[in-house]
Amino acid sequence: GEDVEQSLFLSVREGDSSVINCTYTDSSSTYLYWYKQEPGAGLQLLTYIFSNMDMKQDQRLTVLLNKKDKHLSLRIADTQTGDSAIYFCAGLVPGAGSYQLTFGKGTKLSVIP
Amino acid sequence: EPEVTQTPSHQVTQMGQEVILRCVPISNHLYFYWYRQILGQKVEFLVSFYNNEISEKSEIFDDQFSVERPDGSNFTLKIRSTKLEDSAMYFCASSGQPDTQYFGPGTRLTVL
Repeated sequence: GEDVEQSLFLSVREGDSSVINCTYTDSSSTYLYWYKQEPGAGLQLLTYIFSNMDMKQDQRLTVLLNKKDKHLSLRIADTQTGDSAIYFCAGLVPGAGSYQLTFGKGTKLSVIP
Repeated sequence: EPEVTQTPSHQVTQMGQEVILRCVPISNHLYFYWYRQILGQKVEFLVSFYNNEISEKSEIFDDQFSVERPDGSNFTLKIRSTKLEDSAMYFCASSGQPDTQYFGPGTRLTVL
């Protein structure tokens, strides 16, 4: 089945860009997602990208997808202290009624003021 | 903006007791899910539910677990006889189309 891997920690200075990386194993992953989890809170859907796209931009967020390398990244421009959270990459391999998301372990982003 | 809600936010129970975790999905959504996250581990899929029946379940979702949509708004997860290893954060999610799942804030289950 699908496996998703992420680095566990990232520390950046306020105002810098953050880049969070993710790799996945199943080339059939049709949808790839980024979720944000703030302390004590649930999973907030940030953005997602379909596998037929290379890039998606949404305000300060840019998602890049390299299908050949099975690599997904999330870039946060002008990182703010409010961006401090755990960011989860997740993949979906739909088929035969299967819609389960497979998550990475999450990358904890710490923003230094 | 519509959101998924879950109650209670924290449930403490004794080993062997039954618990019911409740979720109110987004009102026009048709697909419902439960996931769990044991402390320090990945978020894991438990079960998906569509058209009043389970559409998929993981190996974790054994006979101790069941789900139900008792009315038009609630979606519940029941654990019949809780074990220590069931302690986790349980997330409910819903989607209008199955490709975009929205999660609730979670219920932290502590089994003593």
